[in-house]
Amino acid sequence: AQKVTQAQTEISVVEKEDVTLDCVYETRDTTYYLFWYKQPPSGELVFLIRRNSFDEQNEISGRYSWNFQKSTSSFNFTITASQVVDSAVYFCALRGEMDTGRRALTFGSGTRLQVQP
Amino acid sequence: GAGVSQSPSNKVTEKGKDVELRCDPISGHTALYWYRQSLGQGLEFLIYFQGNSAPDKSGLPSDRFSAERTGGSVSTLTIQRTQQEDSAVYLCASSLLLSGSHPEYRSGEQFFGPGTRLTVL
Repeated sequence: AQKVTQAQTEISVVEKEDVTLDCVYETRDTTYYLFWYKQPPSGELVFLIRRNSFDEQNEISGRYSWNFQKSTSSFNFTITASQVVDSAVYFCALRGEMDTGRRALTFGSGTRLQVQP
Repeated sequence: GAGVSQSPSNKVTEKGKDVELRCDPISGHTALYWYRQSLGQGLEFLIYFQGNSAPDKSGLPSDRFSAERTGGSVSTLTIQRTQQEDSAVYLCASSLLLSGSHPEYRSGEQFFGPGTRLTVL
C-alpha cells in the first residue's frame, strides 16, 4: 500500500522568508511518481511538479525548488522568498507503478502555508 | 484552453435525497477521475474511467455511490439517499492517456476541476 505523510499541518511565515514543506512517502514499488499540488483558497488543485523515481535530479523553477532523496523517501518542497500569493494548502502525492492500471494518486494530508505580509 | 469544469459549484441537499454532480474534462483527455476531499479523510480516490474500459470503482465508499461517463467525455457522479457523512468537496480530474511507453502515460499527471461542495443537512 502507498502512503504519503506531510507532518506539518500548518506553517506561518513572514513574507520573503524561505519555507520548506516536508513530504515522506512509503511504497513497495521500484518505479513510482511523486507530485506536488497547490490548493489556493479558490479550491482548485493546481499541478506544480512531477518527479519520477528513476530521476533523482533536483529541480528549480523560479522561487520553487524540490529536493528528492530516495535514501530517506522524501520529496521536500522549498519556496524561496515567500510571497502572500503563496498562501495555500500544498499536497504531496504518489502513484506507484503497480497502480498503473488504477492510475489513482495517493495524497498526503496537506500543509497549510500562511504567508503574512 | 479550457480546464476541467464541474457543476454545480455548491449543492445543499437534505438527508435521504439523491444528488448528481457533473464533470466536464479537458477536451481530448481520455482518463477521468473522481476524488473526494473532506476534513476527516483528506483527499480520497473514488473512481477512474479510461476510454472504453470498465471503470475502476475500487474507491467508492458504498453502493449508494455510482458514476458514469457518456461518450467518453462528460461524467456524472450520483449519490443516492445522501447521508451527512457524504458532505465533502467532490473533485474531478482528467489526464491525457498516451501510448503505454510514453512518459505521460506512466506518470499520471492529472488536472483538477474547481470541485463541487456538497452539504447534506
